[in-house]
Amino acid sequence: EIVLTQSPATLSLSPGERATLSCRASQSVSRYLGWYQQKPGQAPRLLIYDASNRATGIPARFSGSGSGTDFTLTISSLEPEDFAVYYCQQRYNWPLTFGGGTKVEIK
Amino acid sequence: EVQLVESGGGLVKPGGSLRLSCAASGFTFSSYSMNWVRQAPGKGLEWVSSIDYSSTYIYYGESVKGRFTISRDNAQNSVHLQMNSLRAEDTAVYYCARVSSGGLPDWFDYWGQGTLVSVSS
Repeated sequence: EIVLTQSPATLSLSPGERATLSCRASQSVSRYLGWYQQKPGQAPRLLIYDASNRATGIPARFSGSGSGTDFTLTISSLEPEDFAVYYCQQRYNWPLTFGGGTKVEIK
Repeated sequence: EVQLVESGGGLVKPGGSLRLSCAASGFTFSSYSMNWVRQAPGKGLEWVSSIDYSSTYIYYGESVKGRFTISRDNAQNSVHLQMNSLRAEDTAVYYCARVSSGGLPDWFDYWGQGTLVSVSS
């Protein structure tokens, strides 16, 4: 099973600041890495797929990068609605796995 | 508009059974693979099971293999999760999620709002 480790667990930032979230895989997942956003009481939403492609309707301030074992989700300038929990997920092989999540909270 | 609506959750005793359903609308259901993902209270996401568009390929997470069965009815635009031998650690919100193609694996591009399953005596 591929283990995804996200860091930091919590990121405390102010609106307008840049957020950088990390996801590290226990073995290479090539570029088969995605990112989801989840707000309290809501279902997750797909943000980024295949490491760097924005999903439909996702603002340009969200970007993804990386390949192999190290990946980054960057939010260039935090909007109030961006404070949430972010999960990475790999689809390189079965079982599909998620990281433990990074909570982006208001400082 | 794509809609996924889960039902069938509730309180069940350890060792009991429950059948979850997900009603889909707003897209050609028979062309897309479907999945179940769960989230224990206050915890992260855990993939449970996937079924491709034609029910040819089915996959399960290790924690549910042998106890849960995924199925779909393309005529009724629905996917189901039969859960047997339930344990306390199966307590979670169960989400139905579509993948972005008919193949597997692929990304979860639409999610339902979830249904809560509580396993307790």
